[in-house]
Amino acid sequence: GQNIDQPTEMTATEGAIVQINCTYQTSGFNGLFWYQQHAGEAPTFLSYNVLDGLEEKGRFSSFLSRSKGYSYLLLKELQMKDSASYLCAVNGLTGGGNKLTFGTGTQLKVEL
Amino acid sequence: DSGVTQTPKHLITATGQRVTLRCSPRSGDLSVYWYQQSLDQGLQFLIQYYNGEERAKGNILERFSAQQFPDLHSELNLSSLELGDSALYFCASSSGGAGTDTQYFGPGTRLTVL
Repeated sequence: GQNIDQPTEMTATEGAIVQINCTYQTSGFNGLFWYQQHAGEAPTFLSYNVLDGLEEKGRFSSFLSRSKGYSYLLLKELQMKDSASYLCAVNGLTGGGNKLTFGTGTQLKVEL
Repeated sequence: DSGVTQTPKHLITATGQRVTLRCSPRSGDLSVYWYQQSLDQGLQFLIQYYNGEERAKGNILERFSAQQFPDLHSELNLSSLELGDSALYFCASSSGGAGTDTQYFGPGTRLTVL
């Protein structure tokens, strides 16, 4: 089976930096994705990691350690519009197919 | 806008009924995925189709079925509906069928079962 853990809620200040952690246990690993989801809307793709290390994309960065089953999403220069749920998702299938298992999401609130 | 379209946007029906949700993938994408999102369960993978064939399956109920047509659009059929089936149903698509392919989500269909 697969298990993904991330904090339920986080609060941060506009302009600050926040790190959202995700830990996972899977029988196989084909990559880890981060998605952003505003309430009632579709998840939107933020980042993808399959190798260890840091991937940077503008204000967003994502880190992966496969040996530790650990990832984080780093958001810099926070803006009010970053208030949303951030979903960590792992593809654990090793033989074809693309099945994402999602964490329950971290609700981020950005305050003035 | 991801390029994935879903219809209808909202659907209200009664217990015991059957509904069909429709999805058109992004231009050029061969894979279609269906997810269910309810308040207490989070986003749950239901099924993947790749170029018309079933590729991966999640915890999809026997009352639910899906297919992908030659033009690559997909339909999710939900039958004998129960109150607990009320949820947001998302469709996603990707270019290929591999685990490294990024999935792009449609706007969802909100199903309410009364």
